Amino acid sequence: NAGVTQTPKFQVLKTGQSMTLQCAQDMNHEYMSWYRQDPGMGLRLIHYSVGAGITDQGEVPNGYNVSRSTTEDFPLRLLSAAPSQTSVYFCASSSTGNYGYTFGSGTRLTVV
Amino acid sequence: GENVEQHPSTLSVQEGDSAVIKCTYSDSASNYFPWYKQELGKRPQLIIDIRSNVGEKKDQRIAVTLNKTAKHFSLHITETQPEDSAVYFCAAASGGSNYKLTFGKGTLLTVNP
Repeated sequence: NAGVTQTPKFQVLKTGQSMTLQCAQDMNHEYMSWYRQDPGMGLRLIHYSVGAGITDQGEVPNGYNVSRSTTEDFPLRLLSAAPSQTSVYFCASSSTGNYGYTFGSGTRLTVV
Repeated sequence: GENVEQHPSTLSVQEGDSAVIKCTYSDSASNYFPWYKQELGKRPQLIIDIRSNVGEKKDQRIAVTLNKTAKHFSLHITETQPEDSAVYFCAAASGGSNYKLTFGKGTLLTVNP
């Protein structure tokens, strides 16, 4: 049972490049979310999903896309990277009735 | 949307003392309030949570209290130890959905030996 797995752990992008942050969980959790963490800002919700085929926007969705084709996977796509997207990104999942989120180990992204 | 305020932003205590972190929230429909601990360079980890039908919950040295009327909740850590040093985040489930969490900005707790 690996929990929530995020790849890559580190990434450097040039402005304008696109990329996908991968997130997978093996706990059969219905709920999955993406957060970004910036110094002094806490964790801010980007997008979330309540099940396969269902996604919705969080607090800071601009510049990001998500899809949820399976229960296990919830990738986050950066369409055209900007320096403002330099951050640590966390994927998290939880199940119905047990609302505590399990977080992945994070992806540290730098956009230059 | 939901807004969660957390205080203080930094807290320094002596080993063995108690630590209290306070949060307020704005959405009266919120009904789930977790606390996360994040050590340097690590992922946030759930340490305790409380639901709106409960006023207090304890787990060994950690307790959380909730006042729904005043819309605030607090984390209490007793007999602090150096390994309690970390950033602590409170959160509230917003929009009536327990899976959509809004986080406070965090409290850096330092326990001095």
